Amino acid sequence: AQSVSQHNHHVILSEAASLELGCNYSYGGTVNLFWYVQYPGQHLQLLLKYFSGDPLVKGIKGFEAEFIKSKFSFNLRKPSVQWSDTAEYFCAVKSSGGSYIPTFGRGTSLIVHP
Amino acid sequence: NAGVTQTPKFRILKIGQSMTLQCTQDMNHNYMYWYRQDPGMGLKLIYYSVGAGITDKGEVPNGYNVSRSTTEDFPLRLELAAPSQTSVYFCASRFSLQGRNTEAFFGQGTRLTVV
Repeated sequence: AQSVSQHNHHVILSEAASLELGCNYSYGGTVNLFWYVQYPGQHLQLLLKYFSGDPLVKGIKGFEAEFIKSKFSFNLRKPSVQWSDTAEYFCAVKSSGGSYIPTFGRGTSLIVHP
Repeated sequence: NAGVTQTPKFRILKIGQSMTLQCTQDMNHNYMYWYRQDPGMGLKLIYYSVGAGITDKGEVPNGYNVSRSTTEDFPLRLELAAPSQTSVYFCASRFSLQGRNTEAFFGQGTRLTVV
């Protein structure tokens, strides 16, 4: 079975600081990987996704993530955060084979101070 | 396209009451999901469907039922509401067929309180 671990549950940063949120998954086969963002009181929206190809994926709002297969990781990065990035971030994995279900991590709450 | 639409957005139920959370999508997605979100616990899968007429249990199905009579609609039924079902419920859908996949698209959520 696939599972996802997000190591940082709460992150507090000042504006312009760099961000890296960890995500590790457990599944031995080929995977599809996702990062979603949930702004306060809103639904989940896709930030970026990896299906195949270049392991460095660029998403919306200056976010990027790198798929490192040997480490089973898909960490999210942003070089300079803004107050508007305050949100909850979810990593998700789906095996690209037979599984029908994306599995989500528990989420990381990011607070950015102006 | 409206995407995934959930109704209602908010609801307060008394213990023992029943209700149906509605979910509809206009993207012709074959897969649909119901998740609940509790603080600090991420998303837990309640039920999912791989197509009209086919549903299956997820991680936390107890106390819920679903149906999928059409591709577009995937209602979630709570028969005897309990305080433990106080949560935010999200419906999601995605497309997957013959190697073509999309990410999951989420509805706006339904905040349910059982008192």
